[in-house]
Amino acid sequence: DAGVIQSPRHEVTEMGQEVTLRCKPISGHNSLFWYRQTMMRGLELLIYFNNNVPIDDSGMPEDRFSAKMPNASFSTLKIQPSEPRDSAVYFCASSSIWLAGGRDTQYFGPGTRLTVL
Amino acid sequence: GIQVEQSPPDLILQEGANSTLRCNFSDSVNNLQWFHQNPWGQLINLFYIPSGTKQNGRLSATTVATERYSLLYISSSQTTDSGVYFCAVGLTSGTYKYIFGTGTRLKVLA
Repeated sequence: DAGVIQSPRHEVTEMGQEVTLRCKPISGHNSLFWYRQTMMRGLELLIYFNNNVPIDDSGMPEDRFSAKMPNASFSTLKIQPSEPRDSAVYFCASSSIWLAGGRDTQYFGPGTRLTVL
Repeated sequence: GIQVEQSPPDLILQEGANSTLRCNFSDSVNNLQWFHQNPWGQLINLFYIPSGTKQNGRLSATTVATERYSLLYISSSQTTDSGVYFCAVGLTSGTYKYIFGTGTRLKVLA
């Protein structure tokens, strides 16, 4: 398996522009997580999906952020409009969660480094 | 909410030395993972260890869930071990969130 795939790897944009980050989870995994990493706040969970349904979006910083998972093999994180304080590395991770309450190892993608000027 | 604390925050070692990294958590968890973030920023799974002890080469980990801590042992350290080590805990109730610790930054000198 190719692992979790994210695109683009780097994104530089100007304040006010729309930014879309993409993620393809590992085939067979039923849960997907979006994280943001900054020096100040470390690794923060933004949102996670289980079976393509958003389960917990309490980490999404504000309405400018939205995430979708239209099918089991694709998810997007969109920022509109972007601001300089959104500059960070955004990671996508996938895992398996079972109905009995167990879960498997979480695997991370390479991340997208976003710079908003 | 649950607190996840890692110690030490920074560590400098000479190549060949051994080290122990600690992760303390303030509430019950049913899952714990250790990750290594290399200097290129990639997060690499080391251990999935909700309890007990595991070993993988020069690395081993022990989690004592009842006492709310986990330890990561690195033996005969190499320069390629440099980076940041994170523990992440999964909560027991109502959510499949992982909460990450603040990390231990390790630098191994040749």
